[in-house]
Amino acid sequence: EAQVTQNPRYLITVTGKKLTVTCSQNMNHEYMSWYRQDPGLGLRQIYYSMNVEVTDKGDVPEGYKVSRKEKRNFPLILESPSPNQTSLYFCASSLSPATSGGNEQFFGPGTRLTVL
Amino acid sequence: GIQVEQSPPDLILQEGANSTLRCNFSDSVNNLQWFHQNPWGQLINLFYIPSGTKQNGRLSATTVATERYSLLYISSSQTTDSGVYFCAVDTGRRALTFGSGTRLQVQP
Repeated sequence: EAQVTQNPRYLITVTGKKLTVTCSQNMNHEYMSWYRQDPGLGLRQIYYSMNVEVTDKGDVPEGYKVSRKEKRNFPLILESPSPNQTSLYFCASSLSPATSGGNEQFFGPGTRLTVL
Repeated sequence: GIQVEQSPPDLILQEGANSTLRCNFSDSVNNLQWFHQNPWGQLINLFYIPSGTKQNGRLSATTVATERYSLLYISSSQTTDSGVYFCAVDTGRRALTFGSGTRLQVQP
């Protein structure tokens, strides 16, 4: 089944404890990205990747890191989480970058993160 | 940047009723998608519809790109249709721009 998977789905952690949220897709998509969803602010892009080893900042990158060593995986790293990073996180992928004419984006199931 | 406005913001229906959700956008787009966010927070792809009309069961969507709007029709609504419906557009930038959503509650 074609899908985007994320792990963990739920996570409660404490300030300053490094964590990684994994994202994997099995559709051979080039483009992957991370969004966060907050009440009243909607979905905002954190980072995106056009292809392996090509990443760039989205609208709200502060406090996050990403890497794209393999085409299928795009982990989101919080080196020192803070309470303002409590949010619902989504990974998304599409066949090719949005800038090349647009393609349907597929979203993972979401990761609900709470930072105490 | 592009503005995406959805209406109505909230909608309460009785089971079996029909509804139309609207999405207006302020600039040309490369594509447009409709999503359903269920009560568990998952974003479910409904339609990828840069233009024209598509149907999938009780749901259908129409995008008139030249007039910068899209409509999502839900017929014979069921309680499982409850949740938030988002319209999102791609302008050729690196990200989808989402509307603020329509919160739908279907009562039995």
